[in-house]
Amino acid sequence: AQSVTQPDIHITVSEGASLELRCNYSYGATPYLFWYVQSPGQGLQLLLKYFSGDTLVQGIKGFEAEFKRSQSSFNLRKPSVHWSDAAEYFCAALVGGSQGNLIFGKGTKLSVKP
Amino acid sequence: GAGVSQSPSNKVTEKGKDVELRCDPISGHTALYWYRQSLGQGLEFLIYFQGNSAPDKSGLPSDRFSAERTGGSVSTLTIQRTQQEDSAVYLCASSLYLIQGNTEAFFGQGTRLTVV
Repeated sequence: AQSVTQPDIHITVSEGASLELRCNYSYGATPYLFWYVQSPGQGLQLLLKYFSGDTLVQGIKGFEAEFKRSQSSFNLRKPSVHWSDAAEYFCAALVGGSQGNLIFGKGTKLSVKP
Repeated sequence: GAGVSQSPSNKVTEKGKDVELRCDPISGHTALYWYRQSLGQGLEFLIYFQGNSAPDKSGLPSDRFSAERTGGSVSTLTIQRTQQEDSAVYLCASSLYLIQGNTEAFFGQGTRLTVV
């Protein structure tokens, strides 16, 4: 079955430290890939997306993600975390061209220590 | 409107009652999606509408769940005979077209449903 896996349920990093959130997908073909962020009480906001081309994708708020076909991964990174980055992060995939539904991972909650 | 609007923001209902959740998509968006976010379960796709096509209902968990979209705009998700396991945040999203290429889905803030 098609799935998106986020292995880390909860990650804590110190402010100013680097961050990497892991995401793996299981599909035969390369899906469209997304990272969303959800702050407490807020809806989901798109951070970045990958469709084709350059495998290193830049997003908003200083985030980037790298698509690695050989590892079926699309990990999210940020070189220096800010306290305002504390939120829940969701990786998602869309498979099948015009198929409309996104398949989400279960999310990774990020806490930031001062 | 400026964004996807959902109402109510919170709903508490008694087990066995029916509830209706409303979603106002961004004006002009042809695609509309409903997701359910349960604690520790991530987001679960429920249904999507695209223009005048028949909706994809493949994610609805039971026949107690139904949704309609009137006039290609506002959508209502109805849950009949609510059960405690229906307690979750129900998220609505819309996009200009079905998500593909450079189309982005915009999410509302959700309706938190609590069944007591």
